Amino acid sequence: QVQLVESGGDLVKPGGSLRLSCAASGFTFSDYFMSWIRQAPGKGLEWVSYISSTGKTIYYAESVKGRFTISRDNTKNSLYLQMNSLRVEDTAIYYCARDGRGNYYDPWGQGTLVTVSS
Amino acid sequence: EIVLTQSPATLSLSPGERATLSCRASQTISNYLAWYQQKPGQAPRLLIYDASNRATGIPARFSGSGSGTDFTLTISSLEPEDFAVYYCQQRSGWPVTFGQGTRLDIK
Repeated sequence: QVQLVESGGDLVKPGGSLRLSCAASGFTFSDYFMSWIRQAPGKGLEWVSYISSTGKTIYYAESVKGRFTISRDNTKNSLYLQMNSLRVEDTAIYYCARDGRGNYYDPWGQGTLVTVSS
Repeated sequence: EIVLTQSPATLSLSPGERATLSCRASQTISNYLAWYQQKPGQAPRLLIYDASNRATGIPARFSGSGSGTDFTLTISSLEPEDFAVYYCQQRSGWPVTFGQGTRLDIK
């Protein structure tokens, strides 16, 4: 079945870096756009970044532009999010999600928790 | 940025009752709206896309309607597993945005 599994979340100090990964299985990964979406503790959902199937088109939320980098490796069925210059307000569960219907997300991974704190 | 405003913030109903959740966009978004359900400790799940199309495997008691700026998610007869938080999401323009959520509680 279609499955997305995130990893890489951790406790990191402000200004630090982290790389999240999302392993995809059960579908042809290279056919799909993908996104990262986050949820701060007890809060709502915030779209973070988008990457097209080939990786040629990329978008970021203003809140992360210049600090985060999305990428993918279609040979490894994997999606990544490199997070630099982390801030306390980046603390959240980070979900990867398949974009199969033109920027609607289905399914989502189980999420990985990033905590930015001194 | 398109702002989505959901109402009410919390809705308290009993199993078997009908639930009506609203989502209003700050500008017209045609029918480019989705609804998601999120249960505690779980990832969101797509329920409805393009305002009125049920996603794969979603029960028929869930329905969506609306276009332009005003949208509704209706659950015709609440089952115990339907009590959760519901989010709307627009894809009319970048950035993609979500509403703040409606919590559906058991009365």
